[in-house]
Formats: sequence, C-alpha cells, structure tokens
Amino acid sequence: DAKTTQPNSMESNEEEPVHLPCNHSTISGTDYIHWYRQLPSQGPEYVIHGLTSNVNNRMASLAIAEDRKSSTLILHRATLRDAAVYYCILKTSYDKVIFGPGTSLSVIP
Amino acid sequence: AAGVIQSPRHLIKEKRETATLKCYPIPRHDTVYWYQQGPGQDPQFLISFYEKMQSDKGSIPDRFSAQQFSDYHSELNMSSLELGDSALYFCASYRGGTPLADETQYFGPGTRLLVL
Repeated sequence: DAKTTQPNSMESNEEEPVHLPCNHSTISGTDYIHWYRQLPSQGPEYVIHGLTSNVNNRMASLAIAEDRKSSTLILHRATLRDAAVYYCILKTSYDKVIFGPGTSLSVIP
Repeated sequence: AAGVIQSPRHLIKEKRETATLKCYPIPRHDTVYWYQQGPGQDPQFLISFYEKMQSDKGSIPDRFSAQQFSDYHSELNMSSLELGDSALYFCASYRGGTPLADETQYFGPGTRLLVL
C-alpha cells in the first residue's frame, strides 16, 4: 500500500487559513488522494479527494502537486470546530481506508 | 441526507461474553467496511463486504465474524470478549460501481464497546 507522510501536529489561529501538507512520493497512477478528518469521539469524516487537478468543496480545497508526489489540504478559515486529526490517504476505487498517524490540528481562539 | 447508522452506540460486556454490532449503510450503498479504533490509536481495518460477499479481510481476530444481509446491513459478531477488545468500532459504507471520480466511504458514528 502506498504510504503518506504528514506532520504529527499543527496549530492555527482561529479564522486564519491552514495548510496541511502530505507527502506521497510512491503514489501510483491509479491512486486517488483522499482526506478524512476525525473529531474527538466521532467517526472519521470525509473531507475531500482528488486525482490530479486541484479540487474545491464547501469544506476545503485540495492542492495537488504537478508530479502528484505531494498535496496540501487548505482550510480557508479555521474554526474551533476544525480541531481534529486529519488523515491523508491514498486509495483506489472500493479499497479499504488505511489510516496513518495523521496530523492533529489544534485551533487557538 | 441519510447517513450510516450503527447500533448500539454504547455497549458494556463482561469478559468471555459475546457482542453483536450492527451497521446500516446509506441507502443504495452495497459495500460495508468495519474498523476498530483502540484508545489513542488510529482506526484499523477489520473486514469488508460487497454484495453480501466478503471482499477483503484485515486484522480481524478469529473470535470475530461478520456478515452482510440481503438488505445490505451488516453485523459484526464478537465472541469470547477480551479486555483488549474495548474500542470504538466504526462501519463505513460505499456504493459499488460508483465512478472513480465520485468514490468515497462514509463512516458511521461508531459503537463504543467496553469489556470489563
């Protein structure tokens, strides 16, 4: 399974943008880049995913490097409710999700 | 929109007892995945089903079994419970045949199992 590398933790001030990086140098051509997040005591929540082009949705934006070896999840204005563990995951089609350590995001009021 | 439903939300059992966890996927989703998350750990994949057949298997103990029924709901049966089985158990659902560009899994709220 392709692996990803993320910072263990990050901090952000409330209402400021947050850029969460992810390295995936061994990504294959069929891997989609997915981001999930998990708030304390809740189930993982889908955030966004993409293949090659940058993606935007109501929750976040995903910027994918041209060589696809890295990506960045962008939260445009962090709120206290965004404090969670963010997982960057590579997967294809119906494959299971393999969770790595993720990035624990703290949001400072 | 309808989400994944799991029941019960909380369960307390004694050692060596059995437990059954249920998962009701999003309507028209035909694939179910089970994950276990121990205290302070990341979720770990246990087993998955597609169209009522086991499709993949992870680190699921032999004491555990699961199945998917004709209405696509799934049950995780756990026997001879051990203290180490105390964890959050999540299921996720997915709609098979979804175009790759739209595929993602949706997770339920989880069942918190405590074994005493």
